[in-house]
Amino acid sequence: QQQVKQSPQSLIVQKGGISIINCAYENTAFDYFPWYQQFPGKGPALLIAIRPDVSEKKEGRFTISFNKSAKQFSLHIMDSQPGDSATYFCAASMSGNQFYFGTGTSLTVIP
Amino acid sequence: EAQVTQNPRYLITVTGKKLTVTCSQNMNHEYMSWYRQDPGLGLRQIYYSMNVEVTDKGDVPEGYKVSRKEKRNFPLILESPSPNQTSLYFCASKASRIQSGELFFGEGSRLTVL
Repeated sequence: QQQVKQSPQSLIVQKGGISIINCAYENTAFDYFPWYQQFPGKGPALLIAIRPDVSEKKEGRFTISFNKSAKQFSLHIMDSQPGDSATYFCAASMSGNQFYFGTGTSLTVIP
Repeated sequence: EAQVTQNPRYLITVTGKKLTVTCSQNMNHEYMSWYRQDPGLGLRQIYYSMNVEVTDKGDVPEGYKVSRKEKRNFPLILESPSPNQTSLYFCASKASRIQSGELFFGEGSRLTVL
């Protein structure tokens, strides 16, 4: 069973718009929640990450919102750009050893 | 340049023919791990290693073996590949001392088992 559920599977956003990707988990032992960005033909690369004692983390146009009680977290991409077109994976980890990834969201930003 | 190098990048093989996908990192990372990426399933962890001679199963270890004899290398071994192991494989490493450290991924190895 999928430990981390991610939605939507695909997303099309106009340039300048806000992209929102959602993830949910069940295991309260998870203590680290990263987001990875993957371009075609490349390996995933860390975009931004959060720990469960923080409700929000912002880095430039990228923000993670974390709701511990609901066991949900989301990625917001403000002012989306065509260069943001990629596949995004949320993940959850316990103790930095076991990692569980969501199924991925293919984002297309239309100029 | 800091990197994780996987070989081969592409491989077509037949059922039952043993193969090894190599992974090497030049960042002196203690932790290394292997993932497979399949459409609709995302990335799933196969095995991980916290240091030399220390390995543990991830979410989908069946049909795979690993070894960690040197810090920089973490090969993935398919003793008797089957068609359901056709996938895109990624190796990753990170500094163990940072529990929430960044995973650095290789560029992937696309394996087809006929």
